[in-house]
Amino acid sequence: GAVVSQHPSRVICKSGTSVKIECRSLDFQATTMFWYRQFPKQSLMLMATSNEGSKATYEQGVEKDKFLINHASLTLSTLTVTSAHPEDSSFYICSASDNWDRVRTDTQYFGPGTRLTVL
Amino acid sequence: KQEVTQIPAALSVPEGENLVLNCSFTDSAIYNLQWFRQDPGKGLTSLLLIQSSQREQTSGRLNASLDKSSGRSTLYIAASQPGDSATYLCAPLSGGSYIPTFGRGTSLIVHP
Repeated sequence: GAVVSQHPSRVICKSGTSVKIECRSLDFQATTMFWYRQFPKQSLMLMATSNEGSKATYEQGVEKDKFLINHASLTLSTLTVTSAHPEDSSFYICSASDNWDRVRTDTQYFGPGTRLTVL
Repeated sequence: KQEVTQIPAALSVPEGENLVLNCSFTDSAIYNLQWFRQDPGKGLTSLLLIQSSQREQTSGRLNASLDKSSGRSTLYIAASQPGDSATYLCAPLSGGSYIPTFGRGTSLIVHP
């Protein structure tokens, strides 16, 4: 149980285009989803936290107009990188929880990640 | 702000060795600490979760210990195998944001 998927697993795009990454909870309802990015040999850094049906909460330094997050249903959250540039190339990982809004110490389940390369 | 350091950054050992991976964190007021495994270009697999009230957790050949007061956790891997090759991340969960803080990881290679 508690499986989280991401699509696509890899994407290559041209500079200036927008890319959408999907995060799905397959066998549970994810009231909260988290988006992280990871540069090579660096730690995961939280970008934003999203609750179903409400606006995402972005971490300091993350541009909300560049990284659009939508969490329209209990099983799907999307991250759209708008007007992507080479410096946005990174590994993006989502995680999900069915209980984080009530029990903040509850486990997050991580997706397999999406490798974004912007040429 | 919680800061997490993992030592060593990289480790290369022959098969069969017993290993020790270290994790230290600056804010000892944590609720739990989780160890993850990350294969190249992949997401995270949870290995062990230790609650703040616990001293250690075991799963198969893996044993994780926690000394909350000194801000340290250790992951022991017994009788290492080539399939253990991966990056190991530790992530303590602190209050406030209740978001885990990740270290940079220890990159492990086990040679056959």
